[in-house]
Amino acid sequence: EAQVTQNPRYLITVTGKKLTVTCSQNMNHEYMSWYRQDPGLGLRQIYYSMNVEVTDKGDVPEGYKVSRKEKRNFPLILESPSPNQTSLYFCASSLGLRYTFREQFFGPGTRLTVL
Amino acid sequence: RKEVEQDPGPFNVPEGATVAFNCTYSNSASQSFFWYRQDCRKEPKLLMSVYSSGNEDGRFTAQLNRASQYISLLIRDSKLSDSATYLCVVNSPTGFQKLVFGTGTRLLVSP
Repeated sequence: EAQVTQNPRYLITVTGKKLTVTCSQNMNHEYMSWYRQDPGLGLRQIYYSMNVEVTDKGDVPEGYKVSRKEKRNFPLILESPSPNQTSLYFCASSLGLRYTFREQFFGPGTRLTVL
Repeated sequence: RKEVEQDPGPFNVPEGATVAFNCTYSNSASQSFFWYRQDCRKEPKLLMSVYSSGNEDGRFTAQLNRASQYISLLIRDSKLSDSATYLCVVNSPTGFQKLVFGTGTRLLVSP
């Protein structure tokens, strides 16, 4: 089944404790992206990647890091989480350059709470 | 001004009703438009793309008005299962594959 998976789905942590949210897709998509969703603010892009080893900042990159060492994986790293990073996070993927603005497939989401 | 604006609702309608949502976008250079559906706390899923000439998919009709910079979604014969949040999505010409999401319009269909 074609899908985007994220782990963990739920996480409660404390300020300053490094964490990684994994994202993996099995559709051979070139493009991957991370979003956060907060009430009243909608989905905002954190980072995106156009292909392996190619990443760039989205609208709200502060406090986050990403890497793209393999095509299928795009982990989101919070080196020192803070309470304002409490949010619902979605990973998404889509076909690349030749298929601009095509459908983005989303993972099931990760609900993160930072105390 | 927000890049994409939607009425948050909620729109409360009875089963069988017809309901319409509008969405406005600020960048006249945008060229790709979508409606996504999001169920409570779940991932957004593509409902339909919006084409210049308008397009229909079953009970759903999407329209684009470039002159006024708005897109619309019409749902006919509403079902209970249509209850969800509908996200208006527009590409941002300033970035490759960057999509800007509206905050969503909530629809509640009651028996």
